[in-house]
Amino acid sequence: AQSVTQLGSHVSVSEGALVLLRCNYSSSVPPYLFWYVQYPNQGLQLLLKYTSAATLVKGINGFEAEFKKSETSFHLTKPSAHMSDAAEYFCAVSEAGNTGKLIFGQGTTLQVKP
Amino acid sequence: GAGVSQSPSNKVTEKGKDVELRCDPISGHTALYWYRQSLGQGLEFLIYFQGNSAPDKSGLPSDRFSAERTGGSVSTLTIQRTQQEDSAVYLCASSLVGVEKLFFGSGTQLSVL
Repeated sequence: AQSVTQLGSHVSVSEGALVLLRCNYSSSVPPYLFWYVQYPNQGLQLLLKYTSAATLVKGINGFEAEFKKSETSFHLTKPSAHMSDAAEYFCAVSEAGNTGKLIFGQGTTLQVKP
Repeated sequence: GAGVSQSPSNKVTEKGKDVELRCDPISGHTALYWYRQSLGQGLEFLIYFQGNSAPDKSGLPSDRFSAERTGGSVSTLTIQRTQQEDSAVYLCASSLVGVEKLFFGSGTQLSVL
C-alpha cells in the first residue's frame, strides 16, 4: 500500500529565503507524485506533478520538485519565498496507471516572515 | 458550473442525527472523490467514483457512512447517527480522468454537537 510522510508540520522561513518542504513516499510500484497547495479559505489546487517523465518537475508560482527514487523522496523547493506563499502544502502519491485513489500526507504549513 | 460545488458550506447537527452532504462536480468529469480533513490531520480518503460506480470505498470509516453518485454527476455523502468524531471538513474533488489533476471544492464544515 502507498503512504506519504511529510517531515515537519510547520515550516517558517523569511521572505526571500529558500523554501524546502520534505516528502517521502512508500509505494510498491512506480508512483505518481503530486504537491497540492491550500491557501487560507480556499480549496486545494494542484501545484505540480510527477508522472514518470522528467524527474525535475516545475510547477506554478516558481515551485519545483525532484523525484529521487533512491531516496523515495519528492521534496518541494522554491529559491525565494514570497509572503503570498504562506499556505498549507500537501504531498500525495498514487500508483502509476492513473487510476484509483490519491493518498495525501499530513500537510505542512508554511509561514513566511517579513 | 465553473468549479466543484459543495453544499452546505457549514452544517451543525446534534449527535445521533443523519446528515447529507452534496457535491456537484465539474461538468464532464468522470471521476469523483470524497476526502475528510480533520484538524491537524491530512486528507483522509473516503471513497472514489468512476462514473456511477465506486471501485474503491475502502476509506469509509464505518457502516454509518455511505455515498452514491447518480447520472455520472452529483454525489451525496450520507452519515447516519452522527458522532462527535465525525466533525471535520468533508472535501469533494473531481477529475476528467483518473488522478492526474483533481479539482477540489471548498468543502463542507460539519460540526456534531
